[in-house]
Amino acid sequence: QQQVKQSPQSLIVQKGGISIINCAYENTAFDYFPWYQQFPGKGPALLIAIRPDVSEKKEGRFTISFNKSAKQFSLHIMDSQPGDSATYFCAASKGQAGTALIFGKGTTLSVSS
Amino acid sequence: GAVVSQHPSRVICKSGTSVKIECRSLDFQATTMFWYRQFPKQSLMLMATSNEGSKATYEQGVEKDKFLINHASLTLSTLTVTSAHPEDSSFYICSARDPQGNEAFFGQGTRLTVV
Repeated sequence: QQQVKQSPQSLIVQKGGISIINCAYENTAFDYFPWYQQFPGKGPALLIAIRPDVSEKKEGRFTISFNKSAKQFSLHIMDSQPGDSATYFCAASKGQAGTALIFGKGTTLSVSS
Repeated sequence: GAVVSQHPSRVICKSGTSVKIECRSLDFQATTMFWYRQFPKQSLMLMATSNEGSKATYEQGVEKDKFLINHASLTLSTLTVTSAHPEDSSFYICSARDPQGNEAFFGQGTRLTVV
């Protein structure tokens, strides 16, 4: 049973465009929803995270939109740049420090220049 | 700077030997750390949860005798791949969550190649 479903699997966006990646979760006990960026051969780097008490969070060019009733959240990358080309993972968990993250399958983003 | 440091970044070992991977939490004390495995072009799969001062909790299908985990201090967890075989070749990544904000940070990963 896949607890976090991510789409699309791959995405090609032109430089300056908006990249949108979507995730859906099943466990209503989840209350922490981060997004990670991973470059080949590197560990995932935390981009931005949101908790269910807000519907949107913005940090620079990255925005998370959260829909609690639909159990969905999405990452928007504004003004996408070639340097944003990477694999992006959504994740979810309960908020406690002793709880592991459950990851989506990832989205490979290519930003063409 | 790195919040979680993992060493080595890559290792090549002969089949049948053991390899130890270290994971250090640099900015906070972590009573719990996590070990993931990632195959090429796939997502991170949780292998085990490392608990300081007690036994690790392994996910279903992960051999605890092959993947030995030790969490001897609040800042260090180790994963030892014992009697490694080529099918153990993979990218291993550790993680720790900040007890203040609960953000999860990951190490740089270890590329293990068993020949």
